[in-house]
Amino acid sequence: GAVVSQHPSRVICKSGTSVKIECRSLDFQATTMFWYRQFPKKSLMLMATSNEGSKATYEQGVEKDKFLINHASLTLSTLTVTSAHPEDSSFYICSARDPSRSAYNEQFFGPGTRLTVL
Amino acid sequence: GQQLNQSPQSMFIQEGEDVSMNCTSSSIFNTWLWYKQDPGEGPVLLIALYKAGELTSNGRLTAQFGITRKDSFLNISASIPSDVGIYFCAGLPGGYRDDKIIFGKGTRLHILP
Repeated sequence: GAVVSQHPSRVICKSGTSVKIECRSLDFQATTMFWYRQFPKKSLMLMATSNEGSKATYEQGVEKDKFLINHASLTLSTLTVTSAHPEDSSFYICSARDPSRSAYNEQFFGPGTRLTVL
Repeated sequence: GQQLNQSPQSMFIQEGEDVSMNCTSSSIFNTWLWYKQDPGEGPVLLIALYKAGELTSNGRLTAQFGITRKDSFLNISASIPSDVGIYFCAGLPGGYRDDKIIFGKGTRLHILP
């Protein structure tokens, strides 16, 4: 149980294009999902908290218009990197909280998406 | 903001050795989590700790929630090659409704041939 998937696993795009990354909770409903960014050999940096049916809450320093988040259903959140540039190249990881599984906010992570912007 | 200091940054050990790593903070955390991340993958939850003083095992892994609520350690006994990876401590500083996880910088475990 508590499986989170991401699609695509890898994406290469040209500078200036937009890329959409999907995060799905496969066997539970996730009212809250999280998007992280991870640079090589670094820790995970929280970008935003995605709440089903409402606007995402972005961390300080994260551009809302650059990283569009949509959480349209209880099992799907999407992150769109708009007008991508090489500095947006990174490993993007989502996580989801299963409120039915634990009262203590355990988060289950997806396998990540490697974005490379040429 | 709140930070977790995780040490050591990296470890080089022989197969079969025991491993110990820890996390400390200057502020209190109400939940401690330990994750393992393999290259190119997302973190996988190993152990979750909810109460000060709690000692929890998961196979060869043992973790403890410090009494002061400001630290936690993870031990791995009799290491095997598949233990190689990055181990992250993580904590939730807030109460029940606080979702945000704060991550340590990770401990890279290498096993020498």
